[in-house]
Amino acid sequence: EPEVTQTPSHQVTQMGQEVILRCVPISNHLYFYWYRQILGQKVEFLVSFYNNEISEKSEIFDDQFSVERPDGSNFTLKIRSTKLEDSAMYFCASSDRGSNQPQHFGDGTRLSIL
Amino acid sequence: DQQVKQNSPSLSVQEGRISILNCDYTNSMFDYFLWYKKYPAEGPTFLISISSIKDKNEDGRFTVFLNKSAKHLSLHIVPSQPGDSAVYFCAASLDTGRRALTFGSGTRLQVQP
Repeated sequence: EPEVTQTPSHQVTQMGQEVILRCVPISNHLYFYWYRQILGQKVEFLVSFYNNEISEKSEIFDDQFSVERPDGSNFTLKIRSTKLEDSAMYFCASSDRGSNQPQHFGDGTRLSIL
Repeated sequence: DQQVKQNSPSLSVQEGRISILNCDYTNSMFDYFLWYKKYPAEGPTFLISISSIKDKNEDGRFTVFLNKSAKHLSLHIVPSQPGDSAVYFCAASLDTGRRALTFGSGTRLQVQP
């Protein structure tokens, strides 16, 4: 069964450094998303991406964050200057065209900021 | 953000019995609802969904019920199996699912053999 793949599974970065989280969505999907889950908290929406542009973003997704689809298969989340509070699990998701299509999630990248 | 609430942090049932997980929401504009299952160190796995135009959707052992007037949905698992032990999240979305998902805080289900 097709799945969303995320790399790396765990990323440790010094505060202030840039980090790029990578995702390969399900191949025929058209909508892409990033979510995060801080330890002990709810899963929170960050951003959605469709047709090579951001379609929706949350208040969390400030100027430190950016997303890109650099080729036909990858979808990346960049955090420009990481802060301690960026430590979380980051989940990528994708969904198919059409209405009422569920979002399918990857296994996440655990980001630890030191 | 309390738009989607799961008031029971945990639930324990015997193998073979019914598990009922509940979820309440406050935003009447939500039109698509989903249930996800999550094991430790894995991402949420989609289980079942329901559109706001329906009040029930069934897939094998899983049934989701939607009560729009009460802004309440529930997931029934019959019969429950030990492999169902996981954290279950309900989520809701606008625009038939193409928008952000708003998640509840999750219910940890333990199915006792």
